[in-house]
Amino acid sequence: GENVEQHPSTLSVQEGDSAVIKCTYSDSASNYFPWYKQELGKRPQLIIDIRSNVGEKKDQRIAVTLNKTAKHFSLHITETQPEDSAVYFCAAPQEYAAGNKLTFGGGTRVLVKP
Amino acid sequence: DTEVTQTPKHLVMGMTNKKSLKCEQHMGHRAMYWYKQKAKKPPELMFVYSYEKLSINESVPSRFSPECPNSSLLNLHLHALQPEDSALYLCASSRATGGPTEAFFGQGTRLTVV
Repeated sequence: GENVEQHPSTLSVQEGDSAVIKCTYSDSASNYFPWYKQELGKRPQLIIDIRSNVGEKKDQRIAVTLNKTAKHFSLHITETQPEDSAVYFCAAPQEYAAGNKLTFGGGTRVLVKP
Repeated sequence: DTEVTQTPKHLVMGMTNKKSLKCEQHMGHRAMYWYKQKAKKPPELMFVYSYEKLSINESVPSRFSPECPNSSLLNLHLHALQPEDSALYLCASSRATGGPTEAFFGQGTRLTVV
């Protein structure tokens, strides 16, 4: 099955600085890589995703890069703000006949200090 | 409507009780999921339903019994749970075809077994 590793486990940054979170995956057949943000006591919510046919995707202050050869993908948050403080999970779903088997990385707790 | 609704939000039950968790979505998704999330850990997949049929059971103990009565509803029946089953139980849904895609999560049921 898929194995997803995520680093670092905690990340503390000053407001306005950038944050980078990295994930590696094991199944070379994986072709879709979402990032979820989970605020304390709330549900995981998708913030950005990337498919294997592109190497980079941006959405305002958030970007994701993918290196299929090395089997790793990264989340970049620029100009961090206090509301970016949360736990971020990468994932690498395995497609089955119907639906996904979503395997999450261990999570990164991001703290943005004002 | 991009909501997945779970009830109840909180549940305290004794080890001899029987209770049920409920999940509802009206996005037309034909894949629905149950995840278990312990504190400071990523969500772990328990069950996947595709077109109202159980397609994945991640070796979950039989004291957890899922049910999908129709394409909008997903239940998780609980019986004779142990204190270590205390966790946040998340329901999610997604498209069932067209490849891996965004999974929408409910806000979860925080379960405490006493």
